[in-house]
Amino acid sequence: AQKVTQAQTEISVVEKEDVTLDCVYETRDTTYYLFWYKQPPSGELVFLIRRNSFDEQNEISGRYSWNFQKSTSSFNFTITASQVVDSAVYFCALSPFGRTYKYIFGTGTRLKVLA
Amino acid sequence: EPEVTQTPSHQVTQMGQEVILRCVPISNHLYFYWYRQILGQKVEFLVSFYNNEISEKSEIFDDQFSVERPDGSNFTLKIRSTKLEDSAMYFCASSEQTATDTQYFGPGTRLTVL
Repeated sequence: AQKVTQAQTEISVVEKEDVTLDCVYETRDTTYYLFWYKQPPSGELVFLIRRNSFDEQNEISGRYSWNFQKSTSSFNFTITASQVVDSAVYFCALSPFGRTYKYIFGTGTRLKVLA
Repeated sequence: EPEVTQTPSHQVTQMGQEVILRCVPISNHLYFYWYRQILGQKVEFLVSFYNNEISEKSEIFDDQFSVERPDGSNFTLKIRSTKLEDSAMYFCASSEQTATDTQYFGPGTRLTVL
C-alpha cells in the first residue's frame, strides 16, 4: 500500500521561529519520488522540491531545508526564520517509479505564522 | 516562466448539469493529469492522459467523467451529470517528457454544485 502521513494538522509559530513539518510515507517500491508542495490561501499548488529514493542528501534552498531519511521513511521540511508569507498548507506527496503516474498526497499541514 | 492555466476559476452549476473544466498545459509537456481536492481535504488523483489516451484512472473517475485533448493546447475534464459531492477544487497538472518528471499544477477550478 502507498500512503503518506502528515500527522500535524495545524502548526502556529511566531515570525522568525524555525518550524519543521513532518512527512512519513509507506511504499513497497524501492524506487520512488517524494515531493513537497505549498498551497497558499489563493489555492494554487506550488512545487517546492522533489527527491528520488536513491538520493538521501539533505537539501537547503534559502530558508527551506529538507531531511530525507529512508531508514525511518520520513521526508521532513524545515523553514528557518519563518515569515508571515510562509503561511499556507503544505503537502507532502509520493510517486512510485514506473508503476503509476499518480501522486499520492498527504492530508497537509496548515502552517500559520503570526507577526 | 511557463505555467499551467485553467478556466474558469470558479464554476457554479445545478445538480445534474454537465460541466467542462478547461486546462492549458505547459506547451512542451506530454503528460496531463486531473486531481481534485474536496474542501479542507487532501488532493486526490483522478486521471492521467498521454498520447491521446487515458494511461491511468482512479476509482473516483467513473463513467460520469471523461477527458479529452480536443486540440494541440487544451485538455478538458467533463462531468456529465454533476452531483453535490462533485463540489471540489479541480487541479490540472502536466509533466514534461516522462511520467516521472515533476508535475506542475494549475491554479485550480473551484466547482460548486447546488
